[in-house]
Amino acid sequence: AQTVTQSQPEMSVQEAETVTLSCTYDTSESNYYLFWYKQPPSRQMILVIRQEAYKQQNATENRFSVNFQKAAKSFSLKISDSQLGDTAMYFCAFMNLNRDDKIIFGKGTRLHILP
Amino acid sequence: EPEVTQTPSHQVTQMGQEVILRCVPISNHLYFYWYRQILGQKVEFLVSFYNNEISEKSEIFDDQFSVERPDGSNFTLKIRSTKLEDSAMYFCASSIPGQGAGNTIYFGEGSWLTVV
Repeated sequence: AQTVTQSQPEMSVQEAETVTLSCTYDTSESNYYLFWYKQPPSRQMILVIRQEAYKQQNATENRFSVNFQKAAKSFSLKISDSQLGDTAMYFCAFMNLNRDDKIIFGKGTRLHILP
Repeated sequence: EPEVTQTPSHQVTQMGQEVILRCVPISNHLYFYWYRQILGQKVEFLVSFYNNEISEKSEIFDDQFSVERPDGSNFTLKIRSTKLEDSAMYFCASSIPGQGAGNTIYFGEGSWLTVV
Protein backbone atom coordinates (compact mmCIF):
# COMPACT_ATOMS: atom_id res chain seq x y z
CA ALA A 1 0.00 0.00 0.00
CA GLN A 2 1.14 3.50 -0.71
CA THR A 3 1.79 5.92 2.10
CA VAL A 4 2.57 9.62 2.19
CA THR A 5 4.43 11.18 5.09
CA GLN A 6 4.72 14.83 5.95
CA SER A 7 7.04 15.20 8.90
CA GLN A 8 6.41 18.87 9.62
CA PRO A 9 3.01 19.40 11.27
CA GLU A 10 3.44 23.18 11.41
CA MET A 11 5.83 25.85 10.14
CA SER A 12 6.09 29.62 10.32
CA VAL A 13 8.14 31.95 8.16
CA GLN A 14 8.36 35.67 7.60
CA GLU A 15 6.76 37.19 4.54
CA ALA A 16 9.09 37.24 1.50
CA GLU A 17 11.18 34.38 2.81
CA THR A 18 11.57 31.03 1.11
CA VAL A 19 10.17 27.95 2.78
CA THR A 20 10.44 24.25 1.97
CA LEU A 21 7.83 21.70 2.95
CA SER A 22 8.93 18.08 3.12
CA CYS A 23 7.16 15.00 1.86
CA THR A 24 8.20 11.40 1.48
CA TYR A 25 6.19 8.56 0.08
CA ASP A 26 6.39 4.84 -0.20
CA THR A 27 5.32 2.84 -3.22
CA SER A 28 6.37 -0.10 -5.34
CA GLU A 29 4.78 1.43 -8.41
CA SER A 30 6.81 3.11 -11.13
CA ASN A 31 4.09 5.11 -12.84
CA TYR A 32 2.48 7.70 -10.64
CA TYR A 33 1.79 11.37 -10.03
CA LEU A 34 2.58 13.48 -7.05
CA PHE A 35 0.70 16.60 -6.02
CA TRP A 36 0.74 19.43 -3.58
CA TYR A 37 -2.66 20.77 -2.59
CA LYS A 38 -3.27 23.93 -0.61
CA GLN A 39 -6.17 24.24 1.82
CA PRO A 40 -6.68 27.82 3.06
CA PRO A 41 -8.98 28.64 5.97
CA SER A 42 -11.92 28.46 3.58
CA ARG A 43 -11.10 24.71 3.45
CA GLN A 44 -11.20 24.56 -0.32
CA MET A 45 -8.69 22.12 -1.82
CA ILE A 46 -6.59 23.91 -4.40
CA LEU A 47 -4.08 22.19 -6.64
CA VAL A 48 -0.71 23.91 -6.33
CA ILE A 49 1.57 21.77 -8.45
CA ARG A 50 1.90 18.27 -9.82
CA GLN A 51 4.80 16.08 -10.90
CA GLU A 52 4.74 13.10 -13.21
CA ALA A 53 7.08 10.40 -11.91
CA TYR A 54 8.49 9.68 -15.37
CA LYS A 55 9.71 13.26 -15.73
CA GLN A 56 13.13 14.04 -14.34
CA GLN A 57 12.63 17.78 -14.55
CA ASN A 58 11.20 19.34 -11.44
CA ALA A 59 7.83 21.00 -11.90
CA THR A 60 7.50 24.73 -11.31
CA GLU A 61 4.50 27.04 -11.10
CA ASN A 62 5.48 30.67 -10.58
CA ARG A 63 6.72 30.92 -6.98
CA PHE A 64 6.14 27.22 -6.33
CA SER A 65 8.61 24.53 -7.27
CA VAL A 66 9.31 20.97 -6.24
CA ASN A 67 12.40 18.95 -5.59
CA PHE A 68 11.50 15.48 -6.81
CA GLN A 69 13.97 12.78 -5.84
CA LYS A 70 12.51 9.57 -7.22
CA ALA A 71 15.13 7.20 -5.84
CA ALA A 72 14.76 8.69 -2.39
CA LYS A 73 10.96 8.89 -2.77
CA SER A 74 11.05 12.49 -1.73
CA PHE A 75 8.86 15.32 -3.03
CA SER A 76 9.41 18.65 -1.30
CA LEU A 77 7.65 21.91 -2.10
CA LYS A 78 9.53 25.19 -2.16
CA ILE A 79 7.65 28.45 -1.90
CA SER A 80 9.73 31.46 -2.88
CA ASP A 81 9.00 35.05 -1.88
CA SER A 82 6.25 33.83 0.43
CA GLN A 83 3.11 35.94 0.72
CA LEU A 84 0.48 36.29 3.43
CA GLY A 85 -1.99 34.54 1.14
CA ASP A 86 0.18 31.44 1.20
CA THR A 87 -0.96 30.82 4.77
CA ALA A 88 -2.75 27.49 4.56
CA MET A 89 -2.57 23.77 5.18
CA TYR A 90 -0.50 22.04 2.52
CA PHE A 91 -1.11 18.43 1.62
CA CYS A 92 1.27 16.22 -0.29
CA ALA A 93 -0.54 13.56 -2.30
CA PHE A 94 0.16 10.48 -4.41
CA MET A 95 -1.79 8.88 -7.23
CA ASN A 96 -1.04 5.56 -8.91
CA LEU A 97 -1.48 5.89 -12.66
CA ASN A 98 -1.80 2.24 -13.47
CA ARG A 99 -5.43 2.20 -12.54
CA ASP A 100 -8.19 4.71 -11.96
CA ASP A 101 -6.89 5.20 -8.53
CA LYS A 102 -7.61 7.51 -5.69
CA ILE A 103 -5.34 10.16 -4.31
CA ILE A 104 -3.64 9.34 -1.04
CA PHE A 105 -2.94 12.34 1.13
CA GLY A 106 -0.36 13.04 3.78
CA LYS A 107 -1.45 14.50 7.11
CA GLY A 108 -0.57 18.00 6.02
CA THR A 109 1.72 20.83 7.07
CA ARG A 110 0.15 23.97 8.46
CA LEU A 111 2.10 26.93 7.11
CA HIS A 112 1.88 30.39 8.67
CA ILE A 113 3.31 33.36 6.79
CA LEU A 114 4.05 36.11 9.27
CA PRO A 115 3.89 39.81 8.37
CA GLU B 1 -12.00 27.66 -15.83
CA PRO B 2 -14.33 24.71 -15.31
CA GLU B 3 -14.85 23.69 -11.73
CA VAL B 4 -16.49 21.10 -9.55
CA THR B 5 -19.48 22.53 -7.71
CA GLN B 6 -21.04 21.19 -4.54
CA THR B 7 -24.24 21.83 -2.67
CA PRO B 8 -25.00 22.52 0.08
CA SER B 9 -21.95 24.31 1.37
CA HIS B 10 -23.06 23.61 4.93
CA GLN B 11 -25.76 21.36 6.34
CA VAL B 12 -26.78 20.67 9.91
CA THR B 13 -28.75 17.50 10.48
CA GLN B 14 -29.99 15.47 13.38
CA MET B 15 -28.48 12.11 14.14
CA GLY B 16 -30.31 9.33 12.33
CA GLN B 17 -31.49 11.54 9.49
CA GLU B 18 -30.67 10.92 5.84
CA VAL B 19 -28.44 13.38 4.06
CA ILE B 20 -27.76 13.82 0.36
CA LEU B 21 -24.75 15.82 -0.75
CA ARG B 22 -24.74 16.92 -4.35
CA CYS B 23 -21.95 17.54 -6.79
CA VAL B 24 -21.66 18.62 -10.39
CA PRO B 25 -18.31 17.37 -11.71
CA ILE B 26 -16.42 19.01 -14.55
CA SER B 27 -18.41 18.20 -17.66
CA ASN B 28 -15.94 16.11 -19.67
CA HIS B 29 -14.53 14.24 -16.70
CA LEU B 30 -15.02 10.52 -16.39
CA TYR B 31 -13.97 9.64 -12.84
CA PHE B 32 -15.77 10.91 -9.80
CA TYR B 33 -14.80 10.74 -6.15
CA TRP B 34 -15.94 11.53 -2.67
CA TYR B 35 -13.44 12.33 0.06
CA ARG B 36 -13.97 13.20 3.68
CA GLN B 37 -12.03 15.39 6.07
CA ILE B 38 -12.89 15.28 9.75
CA LEU B 39 -11.93 18.55 11.42
CA GLY B 40 -8.21 18.68 12.10
CA GLN B 41 -7.48 15.45 10.28
CA LYS B 42 -6.24 14.49 6.86
CA VAL B 43 -8.36 14.05 3.77
CA GLU B 44 -9.60 10.47 3.43
CA PHE B 45 -10.80 8.65 0.34
CA LEU B 46 -14.36 7.35 0.45
CA VAL B 47 -15.27 6.12 -3.01
CA SER B 48 -14.49 6.38 -6.70
CA PHE B 49 -17.03 6.02 -9.47
CA TYR B 50 -16.52 5.27 -13.15
CA ASN B 51 -18.77 4.12 -15.95
CA ASN B 52 -21.82 4.29 -13.71
CA GLU B 53 -20.49 2.04 -11.03
CA ILE B 54 -18.29 2.12 -7.97
CA SER B 55 -14.71 1.30 -8.95
CA GLU B 56 -13.22 1.40 -5.49
CA LYS B 57 -14.33 2.18 -1.97
CA SER B 58 -12.63 2.50 1.37
CA GLU B 59 -13.52 0.78 4.61
CA ILE B 60 -15.17 4.01 5.70
CA PHE B 61 -17.72 3.62 2.91
CA ASP B 62 -20.01 1.13 4.62
CA ASP B 63 -23.64 0.26 3.96
CA GLN B 64 -24.76 3.63 5.30
CA PHE B 65 -23.20 5.32 2.29
CA SER B 66 -24.24 5.21 -1.33
CA VAL B 67 -23.44 7.14 -4.47
CA GLU B 68 -25.42 7.81 -7.57
CA ARG B 69 -25.14 9.62 -10.86
CA PRO B 70 -28.83 10.05 -11.55
CA ASP B 71 -28.88 12.22 -14.63
CA GLY B 72 -25.49 12.36 -16.30
CA SER B 73 -24.42 15.58 -14.63
CA ASN B 74 -25.00 15.28 -10.90
CA PHE B 75 -23.07 12.95 -8.62
CA THR B 76 -24.56 12.43 -5.18
CA LEU B 77 -23.44 10.99 -1.88
CA LYS B 78 -26.18 9.71 0.42
CA ILE B 79 -25.73 8.92 4.08
CA ARG B 80 -28.76 6.92 5.16
CA SER B 81 -28.70 7.33 8.93
CA THR B 82 -26.19 9.91 10.03
CA LYS B 83 -24.04 9.45 13.11
CA LEU B 84 -22.20 12.07 15.12
CA GLU B 85 -18.90 10.82 13.70
CA ASP B 86 -20.10 11.59 10.17
CA SER B 87 -19.57 15.27 10.92
CA ALA B 88 -16.91 16.32 8.44
CA MET B 89 -16.16 18.24 5.29
CA TYR B 90 -17.09 16.14 2.28
CA PHE B 91 -15.26 16.85 -0.95
CA CYS B 92 -16.43 15.83 -4.36
CA ALA B 93 -13.77 15.51 -7.05
CA SER B 94 -13.45 14.54 -10.67
CA SER B 95 -10.75 13.71 -13.15
CA ILE B 96 -10.12 12.65 -16.70
CA PRO B 97 -7.32 10.29 -17.56
CA GLY B 98 -4.76 10.33 -20.27
CA GLN B 99 -4.55 13.92 -21.40
CA GLY B 100 -1.93 16.55 -20.77
CA ALA B 101 -3.76 17.98 -17.84
CA GLY B 102 -5.34 14.68 -17.07
CA ASN B 103 -4.87 12.33 -14.18
CA THR B 104 -5.30 15.34 -11.96
CA ILE B 105 -8.13 15.28 -9.50
CA TYR B 106 -9.99 18.55 -9.16
CA PHE B 107 -11.87 19.17 -5.96
CA GLY B 108 -15.03 21.04 -5.22
CA GLU B 109 -15.22 23.54 -2.41
CA GLY B 110 -16.65 20.98 -0.03
CA SER B 111 -19.87 20.42 1.86
CA TRP B 112 -19.55 20.83 5.58
CA LEU B 113 -21.84 18.38 7.37
CA THR B 114 -22.61 18.81 11.05
CA VAL B 115 -24.52 16.02 12.76
CA VAL B 116 -26.12 17.00 16.08
